[in-house]
Amino acid sequence: QSALTQPRSVSGSPGQSVTISCTGTSSDVGGYNYVSWYQHHPGKAPKLLISDVNKRPSGVPRRFSGSKSGNTASLTMSGLQAEDEADYYCCSYAGNYTVIFGGGTRLTVL
Amino acid sequence: QLQLQESGPGLVKPSETLSLTCTVSGDSISSSNYYWGWIRQPPGKGLEWIGSIYYSGNTYYSPSLKSRVTISVDTSKNQFSLKLNSVTAADTATYYCARHASMTTVTFVYWGQGTLVTVSS
Repeated sequence: QSALTQPRSVSGSPGQSVTISCTGTSSDVGGYNYVSWYQHHPGKAPKLLISDVNKRPSGVPRRFSGSKSGNTASLTMSGLQAEDEADYYCCSYAGNYTVIFGGGTRLTVL
Repeated sequence: QLQLQESGPGLVKPSETLSLTCTVSGDSISSSNYYWGWIRQPPGKGLEWIGSIYYSGNTYYSPSLKSRVTISVDTSKNQFSLKLNSVTAADTATYYCARHASMTTVTFVYWGQGTLVTVSS
């Protein structure tokens, strides 16, 4: 069970949109609609942004959205803000009651 | 508001057993149909799921750690615990406890603040 593949870093200017990809296999991302995304500011607890591929929990701004195509899930952030600078992790159900995370992506707001 | 708090030694010697406890407040572990998990983050690396336990005691472990991990629950203290034996420097990480609604939806809504455990002699 290898970690899901995410780009190590992405960047964007305030107001722009950025998308982070999360690539797995047919045994995890591609096999289930159970992908979640987390925002992690260093030193703090991770925060759930997206569940079940594209569901936004209460309180999460609409500018965060999730999608999936085949074995790749994506998190799109529109209208970037300075406070969005953080690490982002995808997470997928991997069958047999196991869970797998992505390697994480550092978002830099220029 | 549900709160989770990790506790345990911050330093463990190589080959020994790492033991952590997560204390839950704001809800009863035994009265809610939730799963309680452990997740870690080595310095400079990504998150890794270690395992989870259902309030009834059923356990689920990461295949890569299964041989060394034991997760248990103490409903009388509203706590669940992690034991990782035969630790090495590679087990140095910030360890988080978290709650999720099922073993498939991987939706970790509530997290503890995390506790750093260093494996060193």
